[in-house]
Amino acid sequence: DIQMTQSPSSLSASVGDRVTITCRASQSISSYLNWYQHKPGKAPKCLIYAASSLQSGVPSRFSGSGSGTDFTLTISSLQPEDFATYYCQQSYSTSQITFGQGTRLEIK
Amino acid sequence: EVQLVETGGGLIQPGGSLRLSCAVSGFSVSSNYMSWVRQAPGKGLEWVSVIYSGDITYYGDSVKGRFTISRDNSKNTVYLQMNTLRAEDTAVYYCARDTLTGSSYYFDYWGQGTLVTVSS
Repeated sequence: DIQMTQSPSSLSASVGDRVTITCRASQSISSYLNWYQHKPGKAPKCLIYAASSLQSGVPSRFSGSGSGTDFTLTISSLQPEDFATYYCQQSYSTSQITFGQGTRLEIK
Repeated sequence: EVQLVETGGGLIQPGGSLRLSCAVSGFSVSSNYMSWVRQAPGKGLEWVSVIYSGDITYYGDSVKGRFTISRDNSKNTVYLQMNTLRAEDTAVYYCARDTLTGSSYYFDYWGQGTLVTVSS
């Protein structure tokens, strides 16, 4: 199975900060990498698909980059509603989909 | 409007069985790939199972041989039959549509989840 490792596991930041979360795959997954935001009691929400494509309706302060094994999610200017847990997910192996362990973004 | 509504969760004893349902409106399950994803208390998201066209199915290692995904096209519903349940299966279970854009799959629609608690 393809293992996905996110860093950091948790992060404290302030409104207006620029934040970067990284995700590393245990083998090359080309650009088959998606990012999700998850808030308690809510359904997860796709932010970025195919490594860098912004999902419809998602604010442009979210961006994704990378290919192969190393990927990043960047939030250019944190807003209060962005405090949540973020997950990467590989869709390269369609028979064994895997998520990263999550990055919890907290208010400083 | 697209809606996915999961039902069937509850408290079940270890070794028991439960069937979750995901009723879909706004698109046809027969022409879409559908997955189940779960989140155990205090843990991250874990993919459980997917059903593809032609009823091809795959499962995560932790549930293989115990869980079965299926769909009823006439009811536009996806199911997850869970047998031989263990305490570690305790989680909120979400169904999600696995959509294809270009050559990339991702989960674009999700339900609100149903809680399964395995405990004596």
